Amino acid sequence: QVQLVQSGAEVKKPGASVKVSCKASGYTFTSYYMHWVRQAPGQGLEWMGIINPSGGSTSYAQKFQGRVTMTRDTSTSTVYMELSSLRSEDTAVFYCARSYCSSSSCPRKYMDVWGQGTTVTVPS
Amino acid sequence: QSALTQPASVSGSPGQSITISCTGTSSDVGGYNFVSWYQQHPGKAPKLMIYDVSNRPSGVSNRFSGSKSGNTASLIISGLQAEDEADYYCSSYTSSSTYVFGTGTKVTVL
Repeated sequence: QVQLVQSGAEVKKPGASVKVSCKASGYTFTSYYMHWVRQAPGQGLEWMGIINPSGGSTSYAQKFQGRVTMTRDTSTSTVYMELSSLRSEDTAVFYCARSYCSSSSCPRKYMDVWGQGTTVTVPS
Repeated sequence: QSALTQPASVSGSPGQSITISCTGTSSDVGGYNFVSWYQQHPGKAPKLMIYDVSNRPSGVSNRFSGSKSGNTASLIISGLQAEDEADYYCSSYTSSSTYVFGTGTKVTVL
C-alpha cells in the first residue's frame, strides 16, 4: 500500500540544524512531487516548499528561503528536509505529502497522501 | 503570503449541514480552481477531502462537497456525524507558484 514513513522525533539546540526524512513506498517515487508542511503546537498548517523527486528541482516558501534545503535519494525513494539555524519558534510537527505529476498538470495542486509527521523540539 | 481566512469554529447537530468558508484573494483562491480541503483529527496527519474546488477523492463520503465563488471557497458537510468533528483546512495554489493554507476551522458536533 502507498505509504510515506517519516523519521523519528528530534530535540535540537537553538542554532543547530535538523534533517527529517520521508521514505516513500507502494508507488513510483518519481511520479509524485513531495511537499513539506509545518504545524506548530496548536497552530495551523504552513507550506514550506516542494521538491521534484525526478530531477531534484525545488521551490521554497519565501519565509524559509535560505534556511531550508530539500533533497532526494532516488535509490532509496526518500526525500529529506533540512532546516537550519533552528530557534524555539521552529518547534513543530513536520509533514511530508505527495502530489501527482500528470501529463495535464504537473504537479497536481493538492496533496493526496501524507506522512505521519515528525516532531522537532527546539527548547528555548 | 498571508494565510487564507477561515472561521475559527463551526458547530452543528448530528444530521445538520454546515458550511466552512475560505476567503483569499484574486492571486490565490479567486485566480485558480486549485482549492483543496483537508480534515485533521487530533494528533493525526491531515487527510485530503476535496481537491480542485469540488472533486472528491475515492473513499471520501459524498456528504462532503466543495464550491467556489469569487475569492471565497466553501466546504459543505451534510448529514453531520460525530466522526466529522475535527479541524479543517483549505489550501490554494497561488500566483507565485506556491501554496497557502487557511487558518483552520474547528468543527464541533453538538
